[in-house]
Amino acid sequence: LAKTTQPISMDSYEGQEVNITCSHNNIATNDYITWYQQFPSQGPRFIIQGYKTKVTNEVASLFIPADRKSSTLSLPRVSLSDTAVYYCLEQTGANNLFFGTGTRLTVIP
Amino acid sequence: EPEVTQTPSHQVTQMGQEVILRCVPISNHLYFYWYRQILGQKVEFLVSFYNNEISEKSEIFDDQFSVERPDGSNFTLKIRSTKLEDSAMYFCASSEGTGALVYGYTFGSGTRLTVV
Repeated sequence: LAKTTQPISMDSYEGQEVNITCSHNNIATNDYITWYQQFPSQGPRFIIQGYKTKVTNEVASLFIPADRKSSTLSLPRVSLSDTAVYYCLEQTGANNLFFGTGTRLTVIP
Repeated sequence: EPEVTQTPSHQVTQMGQEVILRCVPISNHLYFYWYRQILGQKVEFLVSFYNNEISEKSEIFDDQFSVERPDGSNFTLKIRSTKLEDSAMYFCASSEGTGALVYGYTFGSGTRLTVV
């Protein structure tokens, strides 16, 4: 039921900016774009959410173009502790979250 | 920061036995969920719960599964007769609400269920 497409894995060196892009080819008008992070043996953790343009919080930035067919999660200056699986999801108020396979980010020293 | 608390963190049970997984959602949240993740696989939706009844359930959530909110704080998942393939991490989650605004879910740390 996952409706999004994202790379299976990415590697990055410590201190680099990491951008993970997700495709939302069939996103509905009422859907918000939400990103979650999951460390091994832990539950997913909400990172950021947006509808259009750019959203920034203390953890990440989220860029959504005008057509909303994609989204890019940007993690500034990653550290080893950012190694995790990152999921992009489409969420409408009353709908439940359905996770895809996510992007496994490995940060290399 | 408020947390969703799950107990136990690890449960080992014999095939055919009943297990109850417990969760304490965040106190002002209104929507509750159970998800599971088999080792190395995706996080899978099981069931959502609102206003003391099931809102939606997946194909995984068959007659062997049930959920309950026995009091104002606990939210439980019961598996009546466990099978080997029920071995997984089970995550409880809660959210403030739905509707016009979209709320993030807060997940617990999970219960690792091992069926032997």
